[in-house]
Amino acid sequence: QSALTQPASVSGSPGQSITISCTGTSSDVGSYNLVSWYQQHPGKAPKLMIYEVTKRPSGVSNRFSGSKSGNTASLTISGLQAEDEADYYCCSNAGTTTWVFGGGTKLAVL
Amino acid sequence: QLQLQESGPGLVKPSGTLSLTCTVSGGSISSSSYYWGWIRQPPGKGLQWIGTFYYTGSTYYNPSLQNRVTISVDTSRNQFSLKLSSVTAADTAVYYCARHPSYSSSSFDYWGQGTLVTVSS
Repeated sequence: QSALTQPASVSGSPGQSITISCTGTSSDVGSYNLVSWYQQHPGKAPKLMIYEVTKRPSGVSNRFSGSKSGNTASLTISGLQAEDEADYYCCSNAGTTTWVFGGGTKLAVL
Repeated sequence: QLQLQESGPGLVKPSGTLSLTCTVSGGSISSSSYYWGWIRQPPGKGLQWIGTFYYTGSTYYNPSLQNRVTISVDTSRNQFSLKLSSVTAADTAVYYCARHPSYSSSSFDYWGQGTLVTVSS
């Protein structure tokens, strides 16, 4: 069970859009429409931003969206804001009762 | 409002056993709708799923840790606990407990604040 692969860092300017990828295998991301995304600010617990690939929990801005193609899931943040600067993690089922996270991506809003 | 709170020693000696408890308020750990899990994060690094239990008594563990991990439950106190044996410095991390729905199981929707456990002599 290897960690899902994410870019170490991405950056964008306020108002721009960015996309973070999350690459797994046919045993995890490719097999389940159960990819989720988390935002983590320094010293805080992760916060669920996207679940089941494309769904947003109540209260999460519609600037956040998710998608998946094959073994790669993606998180897109549109209209970047300073408060979006954080670490982002993807997560997927790697079996019906095992789970795996991505290595994390640091988003810088320049 | 559901709340989860981790508690336990912040310092554990190498080769010892790490023991943490997660106390849940505002919801029952005996619900058929949810799994309850442990996740850790070494300083400056990413998240790692450790293990999960379901109200039926079933437990599921990360294959890389399963020979050292035990999750147990105290339904009378609405708590679940983590034990990690034979710890080394590599087990130093912030440990989180979290809830994830059985119908959308990769969605860890409620998290505790996390507790830092340092492995050091």
